[in-house]
Amino acid sequence: KQEVTQIPAALSVPEGENLVLNCSFTDSAIYNLQWFRQDPGKGLTSLLLIQSSQREQTSGRLNASLDKSSGRSTLYIAASQPGDSATYLCAVTSGTYKYIFGTGTRLKVLA
Amino acid sequence: NAGVTQTPKFQVLKTGQSMTLQCAQDMNHNSMYWYRQDPGMGLRLIYYSASEGTTDKGEVPNGYNVSRLNKREFSLRLESAAPSQTSVYFCASRRYGTGELFFGEGSRLTVL
Repeated sequence: KQEVTQIPAALSVPEGENLVLNCSFTDSAIYNLQWFRQDPGKGLTSLLLIQSSQREQTSGRLNASLDKSSGRSTLYIAASQPGDSATYLCAVTSGTYKYIFGTGTRLKVLA
Repeated sequence: NAGVTQTPKFQVLKTGQSMTLQCAQDMNHNSMYWYRQDPGMGLRLIYYSASEGTTDKGEVPNGYNVSRLNKREFSLRLESAAPSQTSVYFCASRRYGTGELFFGEGSRLTVL
């Protein structure tokens, strides 16, 4: 049974710091892995999608990597800003309808 | 850029009342989902629809019914609301091929 873990559950960093968020999964037979951002009281916004054949994806200051063999993905945020404060969730799917979500990392970037 | 639209955004019900949450997507996606999000429990799948006319149960379907009215719309109905159904409900649709999920803004439901 696939399980997705995100550690730490919460993180506070000063503005300008580069940071890494972690997502671990137990079954390497995934179709894709997706990172989301969720602001308080809002829905999930898709940040990056990594297909199983890819090693990384980049969008602006965000870079997500995928290592299926070790069951890990990292979301790297460069030069963090207070506006990056949100909860970040990852989700994996094996290609069927089912998506398994982590419980998220709550990030606070301090000005 | 509407994407996935949910209504209503907020609703307060009394125990035993019924209501329907509406969801519509304009991305021509076949697959649509209903999730609930509760503190400490993450996102849990209530129902799923692979295409127009088909629906399947997820992990927590009890107390809910769904209708896939057409390709665009997927509604979630609570027939007799219970306090345990107090939650935030999210509708999502999936892009064919990549499998990328797109979410609505959520519907916040309180059952008294």
